[in-house]
Amino acid sequence: ETGVTQTPRHLVMGMTNKKSLKCEQHLGHNAMYWYKQSAKKPLELMFVYNFKEQTENNSVPSRFSPECPNSSHLFLHLHTLQPEDSALYLCASSEAADRGGVRETQYFGPGTRLLVL
Amino acid sequence: AQTVTQSQPEMSVQEAETVTLSCTYDTSENNYYLFWYKQPPSRQMILVIRQEAYKQQNATENRFSVNFQKAAKSFSLKISDSQLGDTAMYFCAFMKHTGWDYKLSFGAGTTVTVRA
Repeated sequence: ETGVTQTPRHLVMGMTNKKSLKCEQHLGHNAMYWYKQSAKKPLELMFVYNFKEQTENNSVPSRFSPECPNSSHLFLHLHTLQPEDSALYLCASSEAADRGGVRETQYFGPGTRLLVL
Repeated sequence: AQTVTQSQPEMSVQEAETVTLSCTYDTSENNYYLFWYKQPPSRQMILVIRQEAYKQQNATENRFSVNFQKAAKSFSLKISDSQLGDTAMYFCAFMKHTGWDYKLSFGAGTTVTVRA
């Protein structure tokens, strides 16, 4: 148990559906991340939140919309996705990065396996 | 931008034997962190070991150790006394140390299968 949970673990949706992925961390961290893991490709960072503020959007299409209501919860809202968006979506958390400070280790959740039909 | 290369897509090792996974990276930075993460079939990404670039001593964590060659930009992982539970995909990752860029850059992964 790493202290980072994700729900649902599996999700099948049509291209016109709207769904949300949820991530919760119980580690007292202040930074949270969304990654996309596709087959045959390295993990891709999507979004970063530090103290609930989005500090990174790695050129992610607008059909993915993150939300971070507090330091413990992170959502990824999905709408009008494409089949190529099918992947494993991983959430991670860490101590917040600060300028010139130590970059803390990220701890990952189990992921949500998403299939877009 | 940093790139991380894992040149071995798959490796197989007999139980109790040793296996070494290679990782090279490209960066112009002097201070950074390197990580090995393990992702078993259950899909939970787990930190295996972490190395600070400013430390000359290689990190070890029980049966896992690294060979960090900073000049060569090489960061290999050695798994000693391999166990069936070590079967997983292993990812090498790079993190910049200073500034506002704290992105983890991952390699493509190496699938390790431990045979009984």
